[in-house]
Amino acid sequence: DAKTTQPPSMDCAEGRAANLPCNHSTISGNEYVYWYRQIHSQGPQYIIHGLKNNETNEMASLIITEDRKSSTLILPHATLRDTAVYYCIVRVGNTDKLIFGTGTRLQVFP
Amino acid sequence: DSGVTQTPKHLITATGQRVTLRCSPRSGDLSVYWYQQSLDQGLQFLIQYYNGEERAKGNILERFSAQQFPDLHSELNLSSLELGDSALYFCASSPGAFTKPQHFGDGTRLSIL
Repeated sequence: DAKTTQPPSMDCAEGRAANLPCNHSTISGNEYVYWYRQIHSQGPQYIIHGLKNNETNEMASLIITEDRKSSTLILPHATLRDTAVYYCIVRVGNTDKLIFGTGTRLQVFP
Repeated sequence: DSGVTQTPKHLITATGQRVTLRCSPRSGDLSVYWYQQSLDQGLQFLIQYYNGEERAKGNILERFSAQQFPDLHSELNLSSLELGDSALYFCASSPGAFTKPQHFGDGTRLSIL
């Protein structure tokens, strides 16, 4: 399974953009990048996913480099409610399981 | 609200006992997944069912078993419980296509005394 590397923690001021990086240098051509977040002990919440192209939805934007070896999740205007652990996951194309790493703990401060 | 319903929310029991956790997937989703989250292991994939059949297995102990019923709800059975089984157990569901995201329920917190 492809592995991901994320910084253990990051801080962001409320109202500013939060840019969360992820390295996935061993990713294969058919593997998607997924982002989830977990607030306290709630169930992981799906944010966004992509294969090659940049993606945007109402929650965030996902920027994937051309070589697909890294990506960045962007929360354009972080709020205190965005404080959570963010997981970057490479989903193997022929399996359905998600392999969670340790994620990035994002702290949004006033 | 993800649309995935898990019951019960909390469960307290003793070592050696057996419990059943229940999951109702989102409407239209055929796949159900079970994950375990403990303090020292993080989120671990246990097992997946698709339309009633087992599709993938992860780090699931032999004391644990699961099934998916014709109405697509799923149950995770944990037996001969040990202190180390104390954890959050999450269920997720998806339509089953690899490119579609899984959506998680709020989990069952299992405490073994």
